[in-house]
Amino acid sequence: GAGVSQSPSNKVTEKGKDVELRCDPISGHTALYWYRQRLGQGLEFLIYFQGNSAPDKSGLPSDRFSAERTGESVSTLTIQRTQQEDSAVYLCASSRGVSNTEAFFGQGTRLTVV
Amino acid sequence: DAKTTQPPSMDCAEGRAANLPCNHSTISGNEYVYWYRQIHSQGPQYIIHGLKNNETNEMASLIITEDRKSSTLILPHATLRDTAVYYCIVRALMDNYGQNFVFGPGTRLSVLP
Repeated sequence: GAGVSQSPSNKVTEKGKDVELRCDPISGHTALYWYRQRLGQGLEFLIYFQGNSAPDKSGLPSDRFSAERTGESVSTLTIQRTQQEDSAVYLCASSRGVSNTEAFFGQGTRLTVV
Repeated sequence: DAKTTQPPSMDCAEGRAANLPCNHSTISGNEYVYWYRQIHSQGPQYIIHGLKNNETNEMASLIITEDRKSSTLILPHATLRDTAVYYCIVRALMDNYGQNFVFGPGTRLSVLP
């Protein structure tokens, strides 16, 4: 597809379970970003990838959160032992990389922890 | 923390120009000004960006003051579908990689019929 694709679009999970959220960036985009947006709140930066490495992990809220990227393409955000406060929309974006380019966002994964 | 200040909300009449201000008084020489918007329940949408010259594309115009401490996003003929939260972001380029995009609370623009 032409845009950033995220799956699943919706996920309901029980407290304490692990979840994996997937992001397929635009082909050829070397930079990839993860954000979290709680209901009625702004976007909260989580982690940024350049290629397969993550020079900026400063936004990950706890060690329950981790992310990886392979083949300079797909990225997976994993949340272990989910808590109710993890409920949010998780947004992924990609951009061409280091120059002054814009980032394009996916439609997000809405995670609900019950 | 976001390096920009925007009014929390604005109204605009349909068909009129919407002028959204942004203050970025601490902007550095290597920082660009980006504008995004987020329509309810959707991912943010890129609008425009610039360094120091005014920019125009099919969606909007970006006017940056000469001292670069503020800018204005102009939607020339606002429609009801332009109702959204508009984010002004400053972003630097590092030697080897770009910084992430830091979103503040933005301006909630309501286009009124």
